[in-house]
Amino acid sequence: EPEVTQTPSHQVTQMGQEVILRCVPISNHLYFYWYRQILGQKVEFLVSFYNNEISEKSEIFDDQFSVERPDGSNFTLKIRSTKLEDSAMYFCADRTDSYTDTQYFGPGTRLTVL
Amino acid sequence: GENVEQHPSTLSVQEGDSAVIKCTYSDSASNYFPWYKQELGKGPQLIIDIRSNVGEKKDQRIAVTLNKTAKHFSLHITETQPEDSAVYFCAASLGGSYIPTFGRGTSLIVHP
Repeated sequence: EPEVTQTPSHQVTQMGQEVILRCVPISNHLYFYWYRQILGQKVEFLVSFYNNEISEKSEIFDDQFSVERPDGSNFTLKIRSTKLEDSAMYFCADRTDSYTDTQYFGPGTRLTVL
Repeated sequence: GENVEQHPSTLSVQEGDSAVIKCTYSDSASNYFPWYKQELGKGPQLIIDIRSNVGEKKDQRIAVTLNKTAKHFSLHITETQPEDSAVYFCAASLGGSYIPTFGRGTSLIVHP
């Protein structure tokens, strides 16, 4: 069964450094999402992406964040200058098309900012 | 915006018992309510969902009920097994938006 994959599984970085989290969505799925989950807290929506542009974003998704789909398969989340409070699990998810609600989540990337 | 509350935060049961997790939501426009299971080291996986035009849905040992008037919905797991142990999240989506608002999660522990 096809799955959403994410790399790396764990990323450790110094405060102020840039990080890029990578996701490979399921082939032919059209809608893509990033969520984060700070340890012990709710899963929070960051951004949704469709047709090569952001369709919706939350207040968390400020100018430090950006997303792109550089090659038609990978879907990346970039954090330009990481802060301690960016430490969290970051989940990529996708959705088939506009007729279905189901989102498929990847295994996540644990980001640790020191 | 939508606010989803989930209880309990931890639920410990003996194998074979039933488990019930309850959620409430605030926005009456929400019309899609998925439940996710998150095992250690993995992302949330959809286990069952329900729409606002349905009061109950069942899939083998799991069922979900929805009370639109009271704005609450519940997950029921019968004949629990140790492999049911995980964190369960409820969520609600506003009509026209597919962005779920998640509850805080329930850690279900099934003792053999």
